[in-house]
Amino acid sequence: SQQGEEDPQALSIQEGENATMNCSYKTSINNLQWYRQNSGRGLVHLILIRSNEREKHSGRLRVTLDTSKKSSSLLITASRAADTASYFCATEINAGNNRKLIWGLGTSLAVNP
Amino acid sequence: EAGVTQSPTHLIKTRGQQATLRCSPISGHTSVYWYQQALGLGLQFLLWYDEGEERNRGNFPPRFSGRQFPNYSSELNVNALELEDSALYLCASSLVRGNEQFFGPGTRLTVL
Repeated sequence: SQQGEEDPQALSIQEGENATMNCSYKTSINNLQWYRQNSGRGLVHLILIRSNEREKHSGRLRVTLDTSKKSSSLLITASRAADTASYFCATEINAGNNRKLIWGLGTSLAVNP
Repeated sequence: EAGVTQSPTHLIKTRGQQATLRCSPISGHTSVYWYQQALGLGLQFLLWYDEGEERNRGNFPPRFSGRQFPNYSSELNVNALELEDSALYLCASSLVRGNEQFFGPGTRLTVL
């Protein structure tokens, strides 16, 4: 398995419900980022959470980070049809003198009206 | 403020040809990243340029190359195209270490 695995692969919910997506990783990270992608288009950055942070909020989004379990979760509350998209987590790690961003395969979220 | 731009939007090539994809970062961003997103494989890191130099490279063959210009825009060149190179190629830019990456809309490359 690879660094940055999202779970579940696909999620289908009704409008108004909450959606939770999880991301697990293997190595120590500098930060973890969540992105959204609509219909094979460019990605939109949602939230960046640093390794020394445990929780961050942005509007209807809540991200938690548990470095002891090497996992993060993205919660979307009161979902809307417009939230239908693929959600990716990306972990930034140190690679020698450089840094590297490693991506998961994403969670496909469908919000049904 | 203009976001990251990429051109062309779509590109159709045949096997063996060469493709050039272009990216303009957000004004003031010095780092440019290239990713390949093929069906079912998620985002694969290709290249990272910063201040005109290649800083990191993903697990791709040498026929994938690029450069960053003095104005921080970047080109991705793919030589000897193969069918499996068909994918969405995304460019992103960022300011400094640890900052989020801002993505362009991508170039969809189709190799026939």
